[in-house]
Amino acid sequence: KAGVTQTPRYLIKTRGQQVTLSCSPISGHRSVSWYQQTPGQGLQFLFEYFSETQRNKGNFPGRFSGRQFSNSRSEMNVSTLELGDSALYLCASSLAGDIGGGKLFFGSGTQLSVL
Amino acid sequence: GDSVTQMEGPVTLSEEAFLTINCTYTATGYPSLFWYVQYPGEGLQLLLKATKADDKGSNKGFEATYRKETTSFHLEKGSVQVSDSAVYFCALSGPSSGNTPLVFGKGTRLSVIA
Repeated sequence: KAGVTQTPRYLIKTRGQQVTLSCSPISGHRSVSWYQQTPGQGLQFLFEYFSETQRNKGNFPGRFSGRQFSNSRSEMNVSTLELGDSALYLCASSLAGDIGGGKLFFGSGTQLSVL
Repeated sequence: GDSVTQMEGPVTLSEEAFLTINCTYTATGYPSLFWYVQYPGEGLQLLLKATKADDKGSNKGFEATYRKETTSFHLEKGSVQVSDSAVYFCALSGPSSGNTPLVFGKGTRLSVIA
């Protein structure tokens, strides 16, 4: 069974640009969560989508947005990039209703560098 | 709000040494507790979990016991190997529903040298 796939693996952008990251969950998983990982803050929850609807949202500005498609694939978008957005963005998929049950399956992440 | 505090790393040990990584939490009610591990260049993997007080989670030689009285969930391993070098994250899930996102600690980097 294929794992969670995130693309691209690395991304370099400049301040003010926007970026879109992609995540393909494990087949059959309908929930996709996004986390931002930085050395100083650790993992911070961005949002979670289930059946194309945002079900949970963390404390990030509106520049961070996401969506989920009917095949459960998800994208997140960051507009007007800032230097502080440099981070590893992790996507995790899970079966319905289980994002708090510890059965999260993570991708390898997209390393975003903002110059 | 709910939070998790882990000991700061990095932790450097020799092979076969005993490992303890401290984790304490603050939460309302009775959360579920987890340890995740992130190997270099990879995403996080669930290592073990405990869902109620006095439960012991174990996997791959690692153990952690849910201590409600001390709000702790310390990770231990009796004899570490070089292959255990990774970043370890303690996490909790609120008790209200399975749809509550996990809250993670900041992670502890472990380096094991031969």
